[in-house]
Order: sequence, then C-alpha cells, then structure tokens
Amino acid sequence: EAQVTQNPRYLITVTGKKLTVTCSQNMNHEYMSWYRQDPGLGLRQIYYSMNVEVTDKGDVPEGYKVSRKEKRNFPLILESPSPNQTSLYFCASSSWSHLTDTQYFGPGTRLTVL
Amino acid sequence: DQQVKQNSPSLSVQEGRISILNCDYTNSMFDYFLWYKKYPAEGPTFLISISSIKDKNEDGRFTVFLNKSAKHLSLHIVPSQPGDSAVYFCAASGDGTASKLTFGTGTRLQVTL
Repeated sequence: EAQVTQNPRYLITVTGKKLTVTCSQNMNHEYMSWYRQDPGLGLRQIYYSMNVEVTDKGDVPEGYKVSRKEKRNFPLILESPSPNQTSLYFCASSSWSHLTDTQYFGPGTRLTVL
Repeated sequence: DQQVKQNSPSLSVQEGRISILNCDYTNSMFDYFLWYKKYPAEGPTFLISISSIKDKNEDGRFTVFLNKSAKHLSLHIVPSQPGDSAVYFCAASGDGTASKLTFGTGTRLQVTL
C-alpha cells in the first residue's frame, strides 16, 4: 500500500530534550516536506527537500533541522524543543510529475513540549 | 500576515444540499490552488485543484471556481453527503506546483441528516 508513515504518532517531552520525528514514504517520491498545524494558522511549511541531500527552508524553519540521506526518509529533528513547538506535525511527499497535482500527507504526529 | 484566508471557521449543511466553502487570497503571484479535506486523526487528502489559467474545474460532486480579479476561490459540493463532514483547507502556490503551499486556516463542514 502506498503511504507516508510518521513515528511516533504522539509524543510528550520536556523542554530541551532532543527528539526526532521520523517520516518514511514507499512511493519513491523525490519531494518531501514537513508542516506544522496550529489553531487559527492552518498548515505552515517547515522544511522541504527536492531530492536526496537537497533541503531548503520553508516558512517556519526556526528551531528545526532536517536531513535527507535516503530518498524514502525525511526525519524532523528538534535539537532543543520549546513549548512553542507544541503542535501537530505532518510529513508529505510527492513525485515531480505529481507536484502539478498534490502532495500526499502522513497521518500526523502530535507533539507536546512541557 | 495570512495570505490565504478562510473566513468561515465552520459551516453546517443539510444532506443533499449544496455546500459552498470560500477562500480569499492576497498574493497576486499565486497561480495554482488546491483544496484538501481532513478527517480527525488523519493527514489532509487532496480533493481538487485549479490553475490560474482556468476559472472552473469539476470532479464529480466537487467543483472549484476561481475569480482572479476578486482573488477568491470557492469549493462547491453537490449534493452534500454525511461523509463529507470534515475540515477543508484551501492552499495556494506561486510556482504552478504543489511544492510550496500556503494554506488557509480551514473550514469545518458538518453535513447533517
């Protein structure tokens, strides 16, 4: 089954404790991205990657890191999480040919930073 | 500054009637627009899109209308079904693709029996 998977789905952590949210897609997509969803703000893009070893900042990259060492994986790293990073996070992917259509989203990771 | 706005946070429609969801944008460089549907505990799923060279795109029960002069788009669902109850996001892009999307805040649609 074609899908984008994220782990963990739920995470409660404390300020300053490094964490990684994994994202994996099995569709051989070149393009991957991360979004956060906050009440009243919709979804905002954090980082995106056009292909392996190619990443770029989205609209709200502060406090986040990403890496793209393999085509299928695009982890989101919070080196020192803070309470304002409490949010719902979505990973998405697309092939270049489908970027004229859409991105395919994972199920989301709900992160709480205390 | 919210470049894509969905001014109605919620909408309730009776089953079988038309649902109209609205979206306004401020950036005249946007040239590609999409609608996504989101159920609780799931990621958004693509519904329909429209390029700025068109003013209408139809897919089954879903039609998107684009009024470039008014910087306004709308999604029509006819007839509405209970399974359409979800949050709907409009999104816009300035490069003709879905790579860098700016999303609206969403409208929660409730279709009642």
